[in-house]
Amino acid sequence: GDSVTQTEGLVTVTEGLPVKLNCTYQTTYLTIAFFWYVQYLNEAPQVLLKSSTDNKRTEHQGFHATLHKSSSSFHLQKSSAQLSDSALYYCALSDGGSALGRLHFGAGTQLIVIP
Amino acid sequence: GGIITQTPKFLIGQEGQKLTLKCQQNFNHDTMYWYRQDSGKGLRLIYYSITENDLQKGDLSEGYDASREKKSSFSLTVTSAQKNEMAVFLCASSHWGGAAEQFFGPGTRLTVL
Repeated sequence: GDSVTQTEGLVTVTEGLPVKLNCTYQTTYLTIAFFWYVQYLNEAPQVLLKSSTDNKRTEHQGFHATLHKSSSSFHLQKSSAQLSDSALYYCALSDGGSALGRLHFGAGTQLIVIP
Repeated sequence: GGIITQTPKFLIGQEGQKLTLKCQQNFNHDTMYWYRQDSGKGLRLIYYSITENDLQKGDLSEGYDASREKKSSFSLTVTSAQKNEMAVFLCASSHWGGAAEQFFGPGTRLTVL
């Protein structure tokens, strides 16, 4: 079956410095799309980025990610972290094995940005 | 735009009790989902429904029942609450088909005494 791995449960970074959240995956199906969801404290998860094209950079709100099928990765990066980026981040993939394209989520990475 | 409403926001139950969580969406989405959120374990799919009166089991369906009474609503029942259980249950909806973005509700926080 499908699985998504986020290696860091907690990432702490100083404001203004770059940040990278790792996401790798395994799938036996033709994948359809990859997502990064962000969940701010006491709020619902919401989509931050979405990609379905290999080797194409996707950007939103200062964050960017590139799907690399050769390395089965979809890492999330930002060049300069802001205090407001502190949140829980989930990587997810939508596989083609199910007609619904159900999402498989990683365990999540808590990002804390400190002054 | 649209919104997903989950009720109640907080739910406190007793061990062995049957508890029901409700979800409403006005996106006119076909598919609805129930996830359980536990720290360090991500979002685990409990049940989903692709249309009214349809139900599909997810990875964590044991101990739960679900009901899709109409297109806009999706209920989840904890059949027998486990002592000291604490979790957040998230409802989501999307259009049918792969690569569709899922929109989430604010969650119901369950505590079992």
